Amino acid sequence: GAVVSQHPSRVICKSGTSVKIECRSLDFQATTMFWYRQFPKQSLMLMATSNEGSKATYEQGVEKDKFLINHASLTLSTLTVTSAHPEDSSFYICSAQIAGGGTDTQYFGPGTRLTVL
Amino acid sequence: EDQVTQSPEALRLQEGESSSLNCSYTVSGLRGLFWYRQDPGKGPEFLFTLYSAGEEKEKERLKATLTKKESFLHITAPKPEDSATYLCAVLLYNFNKFYFGSGTKLNVKP
Repeated sequence: GAVVSQHPSRVICKSGTSVKIECRSLDFQATTMFWYRQFPKQSLMLMATSNEGSKATYEQGVEKDKFLINHASLTLSTLTVTSAHPEDSSFYICSAQIAGGGTDTQYFGPGTRLTVL
Repeated sequence: EDQVTQSPEALRLQEGESSSLNCSYTVSGLRGLFWYRQDPGKGPEFLFTLYSAGEEKEKERLKATLTKKESFLHITAPKPEDSATYLCAVLLYNFNKFYFGSGTKLNVKP
């Protein structure tokens, strides 16, 4: 149980283009989803928290207009990297909390490797 | 300032050589502490949640414990497949978000 998927797993794009990453909770509903970024050999850095049906809460230093987050349903959140540049290349990971599950545990997706040329 | 520190940064063990990983924290209002395992190029895999000092959780060769200042992840008779980075994270009462430590990279040699 508590499976989270991400799509795509890898994406390569040209500088200036936008990329959308999907995060789905497959066997549970998620009131809250989180987006993280991870640089090589470093820990996870929280980018934003999204709640279904409301605007995402971004961490300090994360550009809202660059990293657009939409949480349209209880099983889907999307992260769009707009006008991507090489410095946006990274490993993006989402997580989800079970709605009404009585647990604070975050279940993580497998991650998306973004490479911007 | 809230801090989560993991030690050691890296640990090499021989197969069967038991050891412990440490996660120390200085935070206000700890709600829970979480342990995850992360393999290269993958998302973290949930291992344990601990909520109260004195609490212990076990799963196969792993056992997690919690005090008021730190948590330990004990690995008994590890196998090469236990090689991974182990992350701890704390959750505070006032904020529904995790504060992650920097992780311990464990390498178990056959």
